[in-house]
Amino acid sequence: DQQVKQNSPSLSVQEGRISILNCDYTNSMFDYFLWYKKYPAEGPTFLISISSIKDKNEDGRFTVFLNKSAKHLSLHIVPSQPGDSAVYFCAATGNAGNMLTFGGGTRLMVKP
Amino acid sequence: NAGVTQTPKFQVLKTGQSMTLQCAQDMNHEYMSWYRQDPGMGLRLIHYSVGAGITDQGEVPNGYNVSRSTTEDFPLRLLSAAPSQTSVYFCASSYHRQGWMSTDTQYFGPGTRLTVL
Repeated sequence: DQQVKQNSPSLSVQEGRISILNCDYTNSMFDYFLWYKKYPAEGPTFLISISSIKDKNEDGRFTVFLNKSAKHLSLHIVPSQPGDSAVYFCAATGNAGNMLTFGGGTRLMVKP
Repeated sequence: NAGVTQTPKFQVLKTGQSMTLQCAQDMNHEYMSWYRQDPGMGLRLIHYSVGAGITDQGEVPNGYNVSRSTTEDFPLRLLSAAPSQTSVYFCASSYHRQGWMSTDTQYFGPGTRLTVL
């Protein structure tokens, strides 16, 4: 049973518009959430994170929102650029140290 | 710094063969881990280590062995490869988590694509 789920395997948006990627989790012990970005033939790279005491964290064009009551987080990219086309993984960690539990990923395609 | 390096990049094995996937990091990170990536499953943790001489199992450890004799290296061994082990393998490293509601950024290697026939 997957504890972190990304229900949309793919998303296509127009350049300049907003991209919204969603993630749901089931484990109440998770207290820190991360988004990783992955290009083909490369390893994932860290993008942005949020702790459970916050509901929003912003870094440039990227904003992560956390709704603890719904066990839901989302990543907003505004404005979207063609270089943002990649697979995005949501991940979570709890009191088990550095162990990350990943979602299945969402492939984002930004069309020029 | 080279970061996290993995060798080989590609490997094809026959069922029953053994091999070792190499992982090395030059950032003096205490924490190292191995993940496998399968379509729709995201990355799943195989084994991890919080320091030299200390290893533990992750979510999907069966069929894999690890050891950590130095801070820098964390090899993953497949003793008898099976087709179910066809996957892309990623090694990652980070400083060890310092407290609650935080974590240290994990740096991933470029991956090893393994096919078992």
